[in-house]
Amino acid sequence: GQSLEQPSEVTAVEGAIVQINCTYQTSGFYGLSWYQQHDGGAPTFLSYNALDGLEETGRFSSFLSRSDSYGYLLLQELQMKDSASYFCAVNNQGGKLIFGQGTELSVKP
Amino acid sequence: DTEVTQTPKHLVMGMTNKKSLKCEQHMGHRAMYWYKQKAKKPPELMFVYSYEKLSINESVPSRFSPECPNSSLLNLHLHALQPEDSALYLCASSQDRGPSSYEQYFGPGTRLTVT
Repeated sequence: GQSLEQPSEVTAVEGAIVQINCTYQTSGFYGLSWYQQHDGGAPTFLSYNALDGLEETGRFSSFLSRSDSYGYLLLQELQMKDSASYFCAVNNQGGKLIFGQGTELSVKP
Repeated sequence: DTEVTQTPKHLVMGMTNKKSLKCEQHMGHRAMYWYKQKAKKPPELMFVYSYEKLSINESVPSRFSPECPNSSLLNLHLHALQPEDSALYLCASSQDRGPSSYEQYFGPGTRLTVT
């Protein structure tokens, strides 16, 4: 079967660094995506890893280890506006995005 | 223009009504998707269209009927829904259905309430 695991909730303070982990089991793996969704909003694409290593996009970075079926999203210099749900999603050969259950990030002042 | 638009924003319908949700994109994307999302849950894939042809139906009940009139438009026709179908319905598009489907552009959704 196909499954993804990520923590359900994470809390951090403004200015801190937070890491959201994601482990997955799937067949026909192309890569791992990350999406952000604010309350009442639409999911928006943040980052993608097809190969092992770190991808950096401003304050956000994403990492993938294909051999460990593991990835993470790293958010630096946290801001209040980063409070949202974060989903990892596997892109597979079936042409589908399979989403994890989501991690609700709360950033406190 | 990297926008996916959806209408209506909100919809309340009775169990005997027929209604349609509409989605439009002008990015030249050839894959379009319908998702259903319940509160505090991830988007759940319903249908995938690739080059205007239905390529994936995730065993969705027949009371949901998708339609792709052209490469920019996607509709979801609703009939005889149940209260448990109340959810946020999201449309998304991507360049195509293959490896580049990792980056999907989502519309704001239609919040559907079935009474």
